[in-house]
Amino acid sequence: SQQGEEDPQALSIQEGENATMNCSYKTSINNLQWYRQNSGRGLVHLILIRSNEREKHSGRLRVTLDTSKKSSSLLITASRAADTASYFCVGGSYIPTFGRGTSLIVHP
Amino acid sequence: GAVVSQHPSWVICKSGTSVKIECRSLDFQATTMFWYRQFPKQSLMLMATSNEGSKATYEQGVEKDKFLINHASLTLSTLTVTSAHPEDSSFYICSAAPGTSGRAPYNEQFFGPGTRLTVL
Repeated sequence: SQQGEEDPQALSIQEGENATMNCSYKTSINNLQWYRQNSGRGLVHLILIRSNEREKHSGRLRVTLDTSKKSSSLLITASRAADTASYFCVGGSYIPTFGRGTSLIVHP
Repeated sequence: GAVVSQHPSWVICKSGTSVKIECRSLDFQATTMFWYRQFPKQSLMLMATSNEGSKATYEQGVEKDKFLINHASLTLSTLTVTSAHPEDSSFYICSAAPGTSGRAPYNEQFFGPGTRLTVL
């Protein structure tokens, strides 16, 4: 069932700017993952943060997790046109729960 | 490592025919595989959880007799869309969670590239 919610649903920025996407979930999780999906393609795993972690970095990506608020954020720094895609958060437990996704457009 | 493949990558079929989609974990064993459906510009909807050696667990609203799932081994799950109709046209994606020890909280799932089904 859909229990995650990304915010905003759509984001349009200029190349070089930072993009921040938020995700909220409803049930308890043992980890949270962010994925990207280019139009009409499969999903690419970006980063996993465990429930006992608060922040994690990977290249230009920074993810935070606040289990008390049941929320997470994904920050993409110095965005590039190639970052244009949909981004989803997935709460991990016994079954995955996907959010609706944030559609990011980075204008060159 | 952790590669999941799907076959076919796309299929076009006539209404009323059945279509089988395979999901394989190539370099790891997966007790649990998940099947999703995604309509254009929408998120992934979990259809069912496939457990090796047992019956799949279907999400509410997903017809078991319409979408047959078989998880015959730790590296293969199949989804068969029976008597496909145009409204079944969608992007079907599978994922696999590494592990061999039955139903347990998974730490990560790896996605296949998806299969685009078009029913004429």
